Amino acid sequence: DSGVTQTPKHLITATGQRVTLRCSPRSGDLSVYWYQQSLDQGLQFLIQYYNGEERAKGNILERFSAQQFPDLHSELNLSSLELGDSALYFCASSPTPRSAYNEQFFGPGTRLTVL
Amino acid sequence: AQKITQTQPGMFVQEKEAVTLDCTYDTSDQSYGLFWYKQPSSGEMIFLIYQGSYDEQNATEGRYSLNFQKARKSANLVISASQLGDSAMYFCAMREAGRGNTPLVFGKGTRLSVIA
Repeated sequence: DSGVTQTPKHLITATGQRVTLRCSPRSGDLSVYWYQQSLDQGLQFLIQYYNGEERAKGNILERFSAQQFPDLHSELNLSSLELGDSALYFCASSPTPRSAYNEQFFGPGTRLTVL
Repeated sequence: AQKITQTQPGMFVQEKEAVTLDCTYDTSDQSYGLFWYKQPSSGEMIFLIYQGSYDEQNATEGRYSLNFQKARKSANLVISASQLGDSAMYFCAMREAGRGNTPLVFGKGTRLSVIA
């Protein structure tokens, strides 16, 4: 158990819908990252938050947005869903201080299926 | 820009044998970290081992060791005494140090199958 929690574990929805994925980082971790894992694109970084502020953006679509709340949990919102958005979405958190050598701890992921 | 290359889509190894999973990387930074993660069929990402770019010794964690060759920009994972439970996808990843807690960049992974 990494200490990072994600809900829900599975999500099945229809095209055009909107969903919210939730993540709680490890206790004390200020950095939260969202990654998408799909068969064709592999593991891709979407967005990072640090202590409530957006820190870095990767290959995140405009239909997707995220935020980190004062209690440090984060939510990833996916709207106008398309079949190609079906993927495993991971949240990860990283301890401070800032370093390249801090590993990221991954949550169990949310498997999104868009029908 | 950072890039990770894993050239082996799939590997087979006999139980109790050692296996090496290849990883090469590209970065213009002098300070960076290299990581290996394991993803079993259940889907979770399990951190295995890391190597800092300034570490002079190769990292080891139990049956895992990282063969770090900085001049060749390679960071191969060696698993000794393979077990059936080692069957999984393995991802090499890196992050650069310059801008703080930066995201990881992943390779496409290698699927390891351990045969009894």
